[in-house]
Amino acid sequence: GQQLNQSPQSMFIQEGEDVSMNCTSSSIFNTWLWYKQDPGEGPVLLIALYKAGELTSNGRLTAQFGITRKDSFLNISASIPSDVGIYFCAGQSLQGAQKLVFGQGTRLTINP
Amino acid sequence: NAGVMQNPRHLVRRRGQEARLRCSPMKGHSHVYWYRQLPEEGLKFMVYLQKENIIDESGMPKERFSAEFPKEGPSILRIQQVVRGDSAAYFCASSPVTGRTDTQYFGPGTRLTVL
Repeated sequence: GQQLNQSPQSMFIQEGEDVSMNCTSSSIFNTWLWYKQDPGEGPVLLIALYKAGELTSNGRLTAQFGITRKDSFLNISASIPSDVGIYFCAGQSLQGAQKLVFGQGTRLTINP
Repeated sequence: NAGVMQNPRHLVRRRGQEARLRCSPMKGHSHVYWYRQLPEEGLKFMVYLQKENIIDESGMPKERFSAEFPKEGPSILRIQQVVRGDSAAYFCASSPVTGRTDTQYFGPGTRLTVL
């Protein structure tokens, strides 16, 4: 089946640092979504990308839909303590109808 | 605007019992999806439903699991004769009928524990 490889698996950074994570796939996706999940909660949508090459920002977050349609990255600038959590990428392909394929997640820990 | 609602948030069952998980989509959404998440893993697709129709159930186990989304009322994910391996967080998502139908919004999840 389709798989997304998300890296890194975990990050330990200092408050104020920038963060970068990415997802790659062997197959093409038409939509890329980035979610954040806090412990005991559901994933919260951060950014949605719908076109190859698209670059979208949401406050300190920036995400891009790769030109090949097989990858996406998420950047967080000037991290703050509330950025702690698990970040997931998710992709949707034409073959997969509406279902989302999720990456394994990136666990972000911030040292104050 | 209320988001996706799920209940119960926590459910404990003994092996062999039935589990019923409920999901009410966001207002204006009529596409519902169920996903399962094991600890330290990403979410795995189970089933996609529209009102009174199962559109894609390719991620559903062949036995003991069923889902419905009736004309009236919430979507239900039903697990019969639960086993310990069914312990997981189950998330429901919904997407709109028009516009970006490919953008899914998640509920808070139901955490099922099988004793």
